[in-house]
Amino acid sequence: DAGVIQSPRHEVTEMGQEVTLRCKPISGHNSLFWYRQTMMRGLELLIYFNNNVPIDDSGMPEDRFSAKMPNASFSTLKIQPSEPRDSAVYFCASSLKAGTAAYEQYFGPGTRLTVT
Amino acid sequence: TQLLEQSPQFLSIQEGENLTVYCNSSSVFSSLQWYRQEPGEGPVLLVTVVTGGEVKKLKRLTFQFGDARKDSSLHITAAQPGDTGLYLCAGRQGAQKLVFGQGTRLTINP
Repeated sequence: DAGVIQSPRHEVTEMGQEVTLRCKPISGHNSLFWYRQTMMRGLELLIYFNNNVPIDDSGMPEDRFSAKMPNASFSTLKIQPSEPRDSAVYFCASSLKAGTAAYEQYFGPGTRLTVT
Repeated sequence: TQLLEQSPQFLSIQEGENLTVYCNSSSVFSSLQWYRQEPGEGPVLLVTVVTGGEVKKLKRLTFQFGDARKDSSLHITAAQPGDTGLYLCAGRQGAQKLVFGQGTRLTINP
């Protein structure tokens, strides 16, 4: 079975350019999460969606970041304009909407973004 | 300020030794999860603990949730090189939000 799919796996871009990261959640999952991981700050939740609707975007660092989920099988995280401090690994995760205390998030392989 | 503090941040030991990793917070969580992450991959769930004082075992790994549901520990017996990786604890806030610790980077030397 296919897990969470992210593309691209690696992205190198110059400061000021627009960057779009893509995610396909596991089929049947109705919650989707975007995280950012750095050595300094660890794994941070940026935003999450339930049934394609953004629920909590309090982790989005600033207006340069935006996320969309036009349908149940696709989401994008866009950074415009990008800055060197945005360099990190960005993870997408999906889950069934929590019904029990033991629900699980399934993570994709991540996109390593380098902004020069 | 990190909501979940993990210690130690780095640990390098010899194969066959035992070890314990700690995850502490001043906040109460409805549940706590441990994930393991390998280079170039996303975190993978190992276990979820829900009840204060709960202990769960996964082969050589023993997980415990503190009585007050603010802290947790992971104990590995007779560590193997295959246990090498980044171990992350995550506390659940509200219905779905997970707050992750900084992680413990574990290296088991043959």
